[in-house]
Parts: sequence; C-alpha cells; structure tokens
Amino acid sequence: DAKTTQPPSMDCAEGRAANLPCNHSTISGNEYVYWYRQIHSQGPQYIIHGLKNNETNEMASLIITEDRKSSTLILPHATLRDTAVYYCIVRGANSGYALNFGKGTSLLVTP
Amino acid sequence: DVKVTQSSRYLVKRTGEKVFLECVQDMDHENMFWYRQDPGLGLRLIYFSYDVKMKEKGDIPEGYSVSREKKERFSLILESASTNQTSMYLCASSPTGQKAYEQYFGPGTRLTVT
Repeated sequence: DAKTTQPPSMDCAEGRAANLPCNHSTISGNEYVYWYRQIHSQGPQYIIHGLKNNETNEMASLIITEDRKSSTLILPHATLRDTAVYYCIVRGANSGYALNFGKGTSLLVTP
Repeated sequence: DVKVTQSSRYLVKRTGEKVFLECVQDMDHENMFWYRQDPGLGLRLIYFSYDVKMKEKGDIPEGYSVSREKKERFSLILESASTNQTSMYLCASSPTGQKAYEQYFGPGTRLTVT
C-alpha cells in the first residue's frame, strides 16, 4: 500500500478555507485516495474519496494532482465544528479491508 | 443517514471477565468491522465480517472472538478480559465491492479493564 505523509497540525480561521495536503508519491494506478476525520471522542467519519478526477460533495472538495502523487482536501468555509484530526488513506483493490489510519493532521479552527 | 450504534459508550470490567460489545447498523451493509484505537498506535483491525456467519481475522485477533448471527448485528467478545485490552473499541460497517472503504463508524466504546 502507498504510504501517505501529512503535516502533523494546521490552524485555520473560522470562515476561511482549510486546505489540508497529503503526499502519496508511491500510489499505484488502481489505488484511491480516501479522507476521513475524527472529532474528539467520536468515531472516524468518512469525508470523500477520489481516483484521479477532482471530487466535491456537501462536506468538502478533493483535488488530486495530475501525477496523483499528492492531494488536497479543501473545507471551503471552516467552522469550529471542523476541528478534528484528518486522515488521508490510500486504498486499492488488493489492500485488504482494514483502513490504515496514520497520524493524520490535527486541524484547529479558531474563532 | 447511516447509523452505527454501539451498546455502551463506557464500560468497566474486571480482569478475567467475559465481555460482550454489541454493534448494530441500519443500512443493510454487508461488511462489518471491529477496530481498537490506542494512543500512538492508530486504529487496528481486530476482526471483520463480510456476511452473516462469515468472519475473518484482522491484524490483532488474539484474545477476541466475534459473532454475526444477523446481518445488522456484529458482536465482539473478550473471552477473558485482561488489562492490556483497555482501549477504545470502534465498530464500523460498509457496503461491499467498490464502496467497501466508505466505512461508517459508531461512537466507540471506551473499555477499562481493572
């Protein structure tokens, strides 16, 4: 499985866009990029995933570079409730069922 | 919305007790999972089930067993609880196939074994 690298922490002002980067330079052609987050004392929450095209849903947008070696999760208007640890996970058809959560990025949204 | 519920948020048990953790999902998902989460170790898969009565070991199955008699319910059993099983236990469910990695998690059970 491709390894992912994320910054350990980031800050964002409430109402601004939060851009969370992830490097996955060893990603293979059939592997998807998934994003989850975990708010303190809650279970992880699925956010979005993509293969090579940019994706958007009601929670966030996912931008994947053309070479697929990195991606950015965008929360367009961050709120205090978006304070959480965000995990970037690469999975493919041969990855097995487990989600391998690394250390993630701890995002703090400030008033 | 997908809902995954777990029987308890907090549980305190004594060493040697048999412990049952229950998980129920209401979205007719085929797959169900039990993870444990410990500081510095991330989430680790204990067992998963891809159908009723079907199960497969995850990365750390020792000391645990599971039961899935109905599609919506997946139970984790600690046969004889030990202090090193003090942890946050998370249940998840997902559809099969391409959406298998869109896992929906319950709120977690924080188990303390004394």
